[in-house]
Amino acid sequence: GAVVSQHPSWVICKSGTSVKIECRSLDFQATTMFWYRQFPKQSLMLMATSNEGSKATYEQGVEKDKFLINHASLTLSTLTVTSAHPEDSSFYICSARGRDGRNEQFFGPGTRLTVL
Amino acid sequence: GQQLNQSPQSMFIQEGEDVSMNCTSSSIFNTWLWYKQDPGEGPVLLIALYKAGELTSNGRLTAQFGITRKDSFLNISASIPSDVGIYFCAGPVNSGGSNYKLTFGKGTLLTVNP
Repeated sequence: GAVVSQHPSWVICKSGTSVKIECRSLDFQATTMFWYRQFPKQSLMLMATSNEGSKATYEQGVEKDKFLINHASLTLSTLTVTSAHPEDSSFYICSARGRDGRNEQFFGPGTRLTVL
Repeated sequence: GQQLNQSPQSMFIQEGEDVSMNCTSSSIFNTWLWYKQDPGEGPVLLIALYKAGELTSNGRLTAQFGITRKDSFLNISASIPSDVGIYFCAGPVNSGGSNYKLTFGKGTLLTVNP
């Protein structure tokens, strides 16, 4: 149980294009999903928290118009990197928190974004 | 904000040796989580701790929730090559109302020499 998938696993795009990353909870319903960014040899950096049916809460310094988050259902959240630039290249990981009231988060396998 | 201090930053050990790593905080946590991350993958939850003093095992892994609620350790016994990876401790912090987010330690990079 508690499986989270991400798609795509990797993507290469040209500068100026937009990229959408999907995060799905496969065997449970996730009221809350999180999006992280991770640079090489560093810990995870929380970008935003999304609650199903409401607007995402962004961490300080994260541009909400740059990183669009939609959590339209209890099993799907999407992150769209708009007008991507090389500095947006990173490893993006989502996680999901279930409804059992505990604070465990279950992570997806990550998406490697490379912007040329 | 609440910070987690994780140590050691890295470890190089021989296969078969035992490993210990820990996390400390200046603030109290009501949950401690330990994750392992393989290269190019997302973190995988290893052990979750919910009560002060709790000692929980998962195979060769054992983790304890410190009595002061400000620390936790993870032990790996009889290490094997597939234990290689980055281990993170994490704890929930309130992000407003009844919402929580995780704060992570900086990770312990474990290398196991066969």
